[in-house]
Amino acid sequence: GAVVSQHPSWVICKSGTSVKIECRSLDFQATTMFWYRQFPKQSLMLMATSNEGSKATYEQGVEKDKFLINHASLTLSTLTVTSAHPEDSSFYICSALDRTKAFFGQGTRLTVV
Amino acid sequence: RKEVEQDPGPFNVPEGATVAFNCTYSNSASQSFFWYRQDCRKEPKLLMSVYSSGNEDGRFTAQLNRASQYISLLIRDSKLSDSATYLCVVNGDNFNKFYFGSGTKLNVKP
Repeated sequence: GAVVSQHPSWVICKSGTSVKIECRSLDFQATTMFWYRQFPKQSLMLMATSNEGSKATYEQGVEKDKFLINHASLTLSTLTVTSAHPEDSSFYICSALDRTKAFFGQGTRLTVV
Repeated sequence: RKEVEQDPGPFNVPEGATVAFNCTYSNSASQSFFWYRQDCRKEPKLLMSVYSSGNEDGRFTAQLNRASQYISLLIRDSKLSDSATYLCVVNGDNFNKFYFGSGTKLNVKP
């Protein structure tokens, strides 16, 4: 299957700082990428849909000024958690759409202390 | 109402058993359906797509019931390695948007 690489796989940051997570499609071009968040023992929740060359579409309840998404190329989307707080600690996963299937990055475990 | 709903389980079954999960979806316009498998703290991996006519891949059979708006996954001859959480995924109004169920946890025991 297609390969999606997400980096970093884990990060610990201080409260108030910003963290950038990268999502790359390695062997295909993805005009659409998705960002999900998963809290322990909960399902994956779609945060936003990232479209190459245009603004991301955020799901209801997700603050667009806090979770900045940039999809500048067909193989890279980034999610920046700005002014992170402990409640932002979660497992963030990206996925990229290859025609009709979605493939996932490895996930990033963010811990804000 | 949630876009996609699943019984969280856990389903505890012995090796060799047959087990089935259902997943209901709310958007009758949905066109794409998938089952993903997620191991603890790992990313979800595509298990199989679900086609209107139903499809089979080895011990796994997926079916779609549009009238009742649910999809199912049947696992035959369960193996210990099948223990995982199974997520159903359905696309939303916009084909490019996917929604996940909360997942059904399966424990296959010796």
